[in-house]
Amino acid sequence: AQKVTQAQTEISVVEKEDVTLDCVYETRDTTYYLFWYKQPPSGELVFLIRRNSFDEQNEISGRYSWNFQKSTSSFNFTITASQVVDSAVYFCALSEDAGANNLFFGTGTRLTVIP
Amino acid sequence: KAGVTQTPRYLIKTRGQQVTLSCSPISGHRSVSWYQQTPGQGLQFLFEYFSETQRNKGNFPGRFSGRQFSNSRSEMNVSTLELGDSALYLCASSLTPFDRGLSGNTIYFGEGSWLTVV
Repeated sequence: AQKVTQAQTEISVVEKEDVTLDCVYETRDTTYYLFWYKQPPSGELVFLIRRNSFDEQNEISGRYSWNFQKSTSSFNFTITASQVVDSAVYFCALSEDAGANNLFFGTGTRLTVIP
Repeated sequence: KAGVTQTPRYLIKTRGQQVTLSCSPISGHRSVSWYQQTPGQGLQFLFEYFSETQRNKGNFPGRFSGRQFSNSRSEMNVSTLELGDSALYLCASSLTPFDRGLSGNTIYFGEGSWLTVV
């Protein structure tokens, strides 16, 4: 069975600090996809990244970086030099079936960046 | 390029009524899926449509239904509303569900419809 665990319910950091959001997943499939989404108060889930299970390269996009480690089933997300605009709820999600669009979401981590 | 559009954004219904929510996917996207978000259960998959056919369904009662039209627009319906149906309903679209490896074929969400059942 599939499962996504985001153990950090809430995190508060002071602006300009770095912060890492943890995501641990469980799946029996060898091919799967991992996602991170950001949800501001408006409700929309904003796509941040998609990672395929066969591509373990870490990725950096501006202040955002992702560390994918299949050995520990983790897909962690780091924000460098956090800003107030980063305050939101962040969700990690897993898709097992390449032929389906049903995502399994973690419970989310609420990040508050204090000015 | 317009994103996923959902209407209405906010609505209040009375227990026992029914509600229909609408979703227009990103232009060119043919796959639409629906999710329910509540404080207690988090984000849960409702169903997915592609080419006007329901391809997957989550673990929700039959009161929850949906459909997709030939232009890929989708609607979901909840009949005999219960207080527990109060939630944010999110629609998502993607090019096609078949080739997730295709660059750019990711899943984009709309702003959602906030439903309150009183």
